[in-house]
Amino acid sequence: DTAVSQTPKYLVTQMGNDKSIKCEQNLGHDTMYWYKQDSKKFLKIMFSYNNKELIINETVPNRFSPKSPDKAHLNLHINSLELGDSAVYFCASSQLNNYNEQFFGPGTRLTVL
Amino acid sequence: EDQVTQSPEALRLQEGESSSLNCSYTVSGLRGLFWYRQDPGKGPEFLFTLYSAGEEKEKERLKATLTKKESFLHITAPKPEDSATYLCAVTNAGGTSYGKLTFGQGTILTVHP
Repeated sequence: DTAVSQTPKYLVTQMGNDKSIKCEQNLGHDTMYWYKQDSKKFLKIMFSYNNKELIINETVPNRFSPKSPDKAHLNLHINSLELGDSAVYFCASSQLNNYNEQFFGPGTRLTVL
Repeated sequence: EDQVTQSPEALRLQEGESSSLNCSYTVSGLRGLFWYRQDPGKGPEFLFTLYSAGEEKEKERLKATLTKKESFLHITAPKPEDSATYLCAVTNAGGTSYGKLTFGQGTILTVHP
């Protein structure tokens, strides 16, 4: 019954590695997002996809690459991980014409050692 | 660029002691102002959307209000289970930022029994 799910919940890895985080929503929404929440709990948007098309791409290093195989899934691949990438990453979804009421997943805590 | 500032950063209340959280915003054409609740280790949970100045919405002990410059989240007779971080966010009228939520840094509310 989970509306927005993410895997894994925790990810611990070494600097320089490549990792992926997966997100799925079963709400029938047409838009999905990735957010980063830093150690000060500040939540900032990274990317947004509407019907598999990239519509928001904030100033994010190109080591981060989102991929949307269909409108229910949005994955985040990170190459050459750095210490500063350690954060909690949240996936969210919404119906874009619904004044953007977004529903968030449980988050993935990424720790880069 | 849209900006959201929340105050106070942290608020400690006794059970039953009513208070308000503030969210000041600067946005080029407000499309919606959102309040979310975030519990430790979880994703933000949607509470309210406000669209225009003068609008008010209520849910249990919470009441959100909106002016042209700020929003307040009033908590009446809070209980310990209301303890959480409360996040405010705005979305603007469109352009290249269509669908983008800009969040404030949050207010950490602790309600003591």
